[in-house]
Amino acid sequence: GQQLNQSPQSMFIQEGEDVSMNCTSSSIFNTWLWYKQDPGEGPVLLIALYKAGELTSNGRLTAQFGITRKDSFLNISASIPSDVGIYFCAGGITSYDKVIFGPGTSLSVIP
Amino acid sequence: GAVVSQHPSWVICKSGTSVKIECRSLDFQATTMFWYRQFPKQSLMLMATSNEGSKATYEQGVEKDKFLINHASLTLSTLTVTSAHPEDSSFYICSARFLGGGETQYFGPGTRLLVL
Repeated sequence: GQQLNQSPQSMFIQEGEDVSMNCTSSSIFNTWLWYKQDPGEGPVLLIALYKAGELTSNGRLTAQFGITRKDSFLNISASIPSDVGIYFCAGGITSYDKVIFGPGTSLSVIP
Repeated sequence: GAVVSQHPSWVICKSGTSVKIECRSLDFQATTMFWYRQFPKQSLMLMATSNEGSKATYEQGVEKDKFLINHASLTLSTLTVTSAHPEDSSFYICSARFLGGGETQYFGPGTRLLVL
């Protein structure tokens, strides 16, 4: 079945640095979603992508829908301590009626 | 917009009792709601998908008689964990999707269940 891989699994960066993480699959998706989850809370939607090649920004966050439709990346510029958390990607297929979540990337920001 | 609430936020119960968790979409009509379970340091595991007015579709390995799901209105879905056991202790999170919103899901804040 469909499966998503996220890399890196975890990362430790200095405050102010840029961050890049990606999500890959052997399957094609027609929606890519990026979420952030803080400890003990539900995931919060960061960016939704609906078209191959689409590049979308939300403040310091930028995400792109890969042209092969099998991958997506998320960039965070000028990281700050509140960026700490788990970042999940999720791929959706309309006919599948649900989304598949990746295993997550844990981000730690060192002040 | 697209706010989803859950109640309660945490619950402690004795083994053998049943626990009901509510999921509400506050500012939109949720045609589909999803229930997930999450263990520490792991990703979200989909338990079931529920469409308003119809029976829930359960994922493989999820017991439908143990995890009862009701989606009686376009703004409310409930998950009842029946005869709870300590191994049911987990973080339960619901999400909702609205008509015309594509595959995008909006999540509730989660419910922490501890079964003693």
